[in-house]
Amino acid sequence: GQSLEQPSEVTAVEGAIVQINCTYQTSGFYGLSWYQQHDGGAPTFLSYNALDGLEETGRFSSFLSRSDSYGYLLLQELQMKDSASYFCAVREAKSGSARQLTFGSGTQLTVLP
Amino acid sequence: KAGVTQTPRYLIKTRGQQVTLSCSPISGHRSVSWYQQTPGQGLQFLFEYFSETQRNKGNFPGRFSGRQFSNSRSEMNVSTLELGDSALYLCASSFGTGYTEAFFGQGTRLTVV
Repeated sequence: GQSLEQPSEVTAVEGAIVQINCTYQTSGFYGLSWYQQHDGGAPTFLSYNALDGLEETGRFSSFLSRSDSYGYLLLQELQMKDSASYFCAVREAKSGSARQLTFGSGTQLTVLP
Repeated sequence: KAGVTQTPRYLIKTRGQQVTLSCSPISGHRSVSWYQQTPGQGLQFLFEYFSETQRNKGNFPGRFSGRQFSNSRSEMNVSTLELGDSALYLCASSFGTGYTEAFFGQGTRLTVV
């Protein structure tokens, strides 16, 4: 079985730093991804961690600890356009060689001026 | 190159009817996954197809089915529609079943009345 938990809502002010946590329970773990979705838009890929540690991509960073089944997305220098839903997703092994991408329920980030 | 194309964008059906949604993946991508998105529920995995074969299936009733054609285009079908099937149906394509990044279409907004 699998499950992912992340906060439903986070609010921060422009210019601040925010961290969105994600814990997961799954068998056959291959990696943790983060996706961003603006209202009315399609989810877009932000980052992927297969190994422990921090991955940095511009203002966004993602961290993974496989021993703790935990990861987070760190957003720095927040901008109004960062207001969106953020989903963590695990890539996990299913039948045979198939690897399913399973999403959490999402965190709604609101950036205030 | 063109992104993931889903048709139609919006659909209104009545209870008991059936519906077919279409997804054309990015050229060269052979994996297509389908997700149902409802408010507060995140993205619920429906199924994944790779090279015309269903690789994974989520916990949805048998009324939900899909298929993939030789050109990697995919369709999903929902029979005997229920009010609870109203949702945004998203399709995601990736090069292979184990690839880290999935590219999403804009989705089909299905309303069942």
